[in-house]
Amino acid sequence: DTGVSQNPRHKITKRGQNVTFRCDPISEHNRLYWYRQTLGQGPEFLTYFQNEAQLEKSRLLSDRFSAERPKGSFSTLEIQRTEQGDSAMYLCASSRGGGQVETQYFGPGTRLLVL
Amino acid sequence: GEDVEQSLFLSVREGDSSVINCTYTDSSSTYLYWYKQEPGAGLQLLTYIFSNMDMKQDQRLTVLLNKKDKHLSLRIADTQTGDSAIYFCAERAGSARQLTFGSGTQLTVLP
Repeated sequence: DTGVSQNPRHKITKRGQNVTFRCDPISEHNRLYWYRQTLGQGPEFLTYFQNEAQLEKSRLLSDRFSAERPKGSFSTLEIQRTEQGDSAMYLCASSRGGGQVETQYFGPGTRLLVL
Repeated sequence: GEDVEQSLFLSVREGDSSVINCTYTDSSSTYLYWYKQEPGAGLQLLTYIFSNMDMKQDQRLTVLLNKKDKHLSLRIADTQTGDSAIYFCAERAGSARQLTFGSGTQLTVLP
């Protein structure tokens, strides 16, 4: 079990640039989640996928954010025209759906700093 | 909507028990979780409890759930310096898939 992996671990960008993050879930997990965590706060839900279908999006996910999971395995989260308020830790989690108990396992996160 | 609250800080001496508290508002919560986050790292799942249970024990961890008061606690027995971290309480409400997290409790273990 290699766990959830995320790349890059850190990203520094200038305001207005586009950035893309990647998440590789645990291999047999069909559900994948993106959360955002700002300093001193708990993670906040952004969106989730079941296989390749994006089933729910939070109001936090503005038009500048887009997420994909084209083959139901890895996922990407893109932020266009970044703003300083986008600076945060972006966390990915995966789970195996279908059972009674669903536990989400988190990756190490991608820390984004927008200058 | 859902709201999960935790106290921000807790300090204990090494070897003592730690009790971290959490309150939630959504009465349809099905599962409640405790996660641990060390500096610069992601979240590590510690344990969870189903809403029809009132207690769950897992080695040094004991979770107590008071559904009437919507109060959840995590007790860590024989707290060690390696337990120093931020602890998050999270709920999964009703048929929702996503978790709603509290702001976290910073646990500091003093030698």
